[in-house]
Amino acid sequence: QQQVKQSPQSLIVQKGGISIINCAYENTAFDYFPWYQQFPGKGPALLIAIRPDVSEKKEGRFTISFNKSAKQFSLHIMDSQPGDSATYFCAARARGSQGNLIFGKGTKLSVKP
Amino acid sequence: DAGVIQSPRHEVTEMGQEVTLRCKPISGHDYLFWYRQTMMRGLELLIYFNNNVPIDDSGMPEDRFSAKMPNASFSTLKIQPSEPRDSAVYFCASSPPGLRRTGELFFGEGSRLTVL
Repeated sequence: QQQVKQSPQSLIVQKGGISIINCAYENTAFDYFPWYQQFPGKGPALLIAIRPDVSEKKEGRFTISFNKSAKQFSLHIMDSQPGDSATYFCAARARGSQGNLIFGKGTKLSVKP
Repeated sequence: DAGVIQSPRHEVTEMGQEVTLRCKPISGHDYLFWYRQTMMRGLELLIYFNNNVPIDDSGMPEDRFSAKMPNASFSTLKIQPSEPRDSAVYFCASSPPGLRRTGELFFGEGSRLTVL
């Protein structure tokens, strides 16, 4: 039973464009929403994260937008660069859980020069 | 500082054989997680430990899978007997004290298992 639905599965963006990846969740008891970035042959690495008491968080070119009422959150990559080409995973953690992250299935992003 | 270290990086074995995957977490981290990654199911949590004690093993698919953490610097994931459907990349991740506040998992580079 997938509790975090991620879309699209793959995304091609031109250099300098905006990449947008969306996630939706069903469990209202989630209290932490991270995004992880994974390069081929590597493990996922934390990119940016948000808690449900804020609607947006920005770190450099990366922004998370969070809509609590719609139970959706998205990652925006501004001025996308070829070096951003990777697979991106959204995740959610249940309130009260110590570390059990439930991951979306991932979005493979390709940024064309 | 060294990150999470996993071995072997690649393992090819035949159905029915025993497979042991190893993980050394980052020094000082007291949480350790085992995840499995496949195209079909994405990243799935198998089991996690806190201070060497298993906290949640509900993701372990069946009795063929077992995990141990004999001390703070070493963990194993064992599959016996292995089956072709176990083919996947297995990730180990660790986290420092204060995980509830920081939320960050530090992943190793994974062990790619192929069962023929």
